[in-house]
Amino acid sequence: GIQVEQSPPDLILQEGANSTLRCNFSDSVNNLQWFHQNPWGQLINLFYIPSGTKQNGRLSATTVATERYSLLYISSSQTTDSGVYFCAVTAGGTSYGKLTFGQGTILTVHP
Amino acid sequence: EPEVTQTPSHQVTQMGQEVILRCVPISNHLYFYWYRQILGQKVEFLVSFYNNEISEKSEIFDDQFSVERPDGSNFTLKIRSTKLEDSAMYFCASRDTRSGSYEQYFGPGTRLTVT
Repeated sequence: GIQVEQSPPDLILQEGANSTLRCNFSDSVNNLQWFHQNPWGQLINLFYIPSGTKQNGRLSATTVATERYSLLYISSSQTTDSGVYFCAVTAGGTSYGKLTFGQGTILTVHP
Repeated sequence: EPEVTQTPSHQVTQMGQEVILRCVPISNHLYFYWYRQILGQKVEFLVSFYNNEISEKSEIFDDQFSVERPDGSNFTLKIRSTKLEDSAMYFCASRDTRSGSYEQYFGPGTRLTVT
């Protein structure tokens, strides 16, 4: 099946810093979503971005499908950005659409 | 904005007991999914459900698991005889196939603790 690798595994920042999280995938995809898992365990959907670029406030994401990677940018980080960020993909050619998740990036933002 | 809901938010059960986790997908969505996340690990696919039948399942989804859409709104996951290793966060998700999008909408999860 499709493989999803996220980097870095851990990231520690000071409040106000910028960061880039990366997601590599091993095959073509129909779907790519970025999630933030909050301290209560909920998966917050950040972006649905199988290709192209999107922005939402301080967050933006870019997926280069032909090169099989996606980037999540966090600017002017805040302590509330702390948590685990997951990338998840649906392999191309599948109709049922199950998501395969990466291992996640643990982000810690210090005040 | 419509959202996926799940109940209960936290369930504690004894080993060997049956549990039913409930989900209400977004109205008019046609694909439904269950995922689980063991503490500290990544989220894993369990099963997908479409047109009143299982469309795909993972190796994790063995005979102790079953899914059902008992009415027009609920989608349930039953674990027949729980084991300690079933302790995890269980997420339900749904997808709107009419738009051609593959985006999945996740519920807040049910934390299952087996003692």
